[in-house]
Amino acid sequence: GQQVMQIPQYQHVQEGEDFTTYCNSSTTLSNIQWYKQRPGGHPVFLIQLVKSGEVKKQKRLTFQFGEAKKNSSLHITATQTTDVGTYFCAVTNNDYKLSFGAGTTVTVRA
Amino acid sequence: DGGITQSPKYLFRKEGQNVTLSCEQNLNHDAMYWYRQDPGQGLRLIYYSQIVNDFQKGDIAEGYSVSREKKESFPLTVTSAQKNPTAFYLCASRSRYVRTGGEKLFFGSGTQLSVL
Repeated sequence: GQQVMQIPQYQHVQEGEDFTTYCNSSTTLSNIQWYKQRPGGHPVFLIQLVKSGEVKKQKRLTFQFGEAKKNSSLHITATQTTDVGTYFCAVTNNDYKLSFGAGTTVTVRA
Repeated sequence: DGGITQSPKYLFRKEGQNVTLSCEQNLNHDAMYWYRQDPGQGLRLIYYSQIVNDFQKGDIAEGYSVSREKKESFPLTVTSAQKNPTAFYLCASRSRYVRTGGEKLFFGSGTQLSVL
């Protein structure tokens, strides 16, 4: 299946600081989706990126799709305790097979 | 209240036993998925179904089986052939907007399976 590498695996952030997590593929992607899973919960859809170079914002979250459509990033500004959880990227291998990255687990120091 | 319902929340399996995890959705979605999540790890695809009476193996299908007799239901059976079944199992269905190409997965709350 299509492989996506997510880095870093863990991110320990001081409350109020910014951080970025990355998702990289060796092949061109048709689109990329991002999900968030809170501790003890299930993944919840955040956003889908489709166009080359696309940038979308959701409050303090900024999502970007690379120009070559082989990588994506999620940047969170002014981290809050509500940002704790694991962030996954997901890509479509064929039209229906959706594969997930290993995730970035975020913890926040108050 | 629309959504995906997984049951049971916790399940225990004895050696050599087959167990079935339930997944029901009332979102009228065609595509459904089963993922396995091990502690501290990502989601690995077990099986997926594009439409009723059709399903395909994912990346880790060995030791698992599924059926899709109804649009609303996509049960997963963990057979005795799965030697390391302890994990968190997540079911999902996919919404797709043909006009825009947008899509997203809706997940159930999961089933934690443990071996006695």
